[in-house]
Amino acid sequence: AQSVTQPDIHITVSEGASLELRCNYSYGATPYLFWYVQSPGQGLQLLLKYFSGDTLVQGIKGFEAEFKRSQSSFNLRKPSVHWSDAAEYFCAVGPSPAGRRALTFGSGTRLQVQP
Amino acid sequence: GAVVSQHPSWVICKSGTSVKIECRSLDFQATTMFWYRQFPKQSLMLMATSNEGSKATYEQGVEKDKFLINHASLTLSTLTVTSAHPEDSSFYICSASFRRNSANYGYTFGSGTRLTVV
Repeated sequence: AQSVTQPDIHITVSEGASLELRCNYSYGATPYLFWYVQSPGQGLQLLLKYFSGDTLVQGIKGFEAEFKRSQSSFNLRKPSVHWSDAAEYFCAVGPSPAGRRALTFGSGTRLQVQP
Repeated sequence: GAVVSQHPSWVICKSGTSVKIECRSLDFQATTMFWYRQFPKQSLMLMATSNEGSKATYEQGVEKDKFLINHASLTLSTLTVTSAHPEDSSFYICSASFRRNSANYGYTFGSGTRLTVV
């Protein structure tokens, strides 16, 4: 069975500091990996996705993620956090890039940004 | 990108009444729609998967007679919470998979519906 683990429930960083959110997955086949961000009371916005090719993926809002098959990880990074980045971040894995089966989500990491 | 419009964004209803939530794909055909429920400060819990023209497939523990899903067209899926009770209060989110071309595909999400049953 597939699963996603986000070990950090809550992270607080100072504005301007770098950020890394951890994501580990368990999947028996080729994983399709996603990072989404959710602001309070809102739906999910796609930050980036990895399907194949270059293991370092660039996304929106200055985010990037690196796929490491040997570590079953897909960590999200940002070199300099802005106050507007405060939100909930979800890592997800799916059996295909766009199919008839739903994504499996991690439990999420809540990011707080201190001024 | 692919856009899913979800309405209403919030609704308050009396216990025992039914509430319908709509999700429309605005610029693509949503062959498959997913419905999630999210409790405060928790992750998304998949409730059901619906394919256009077919009966929805519900996840274990989700009452199909309480949460009626209709996906009669390629652009509209609805979730009806029947005989709602306070414990049904939650945030409901729809999602659809899309494939526009070889470079533009994935999963898109509605903006969610906050249901409060009083």
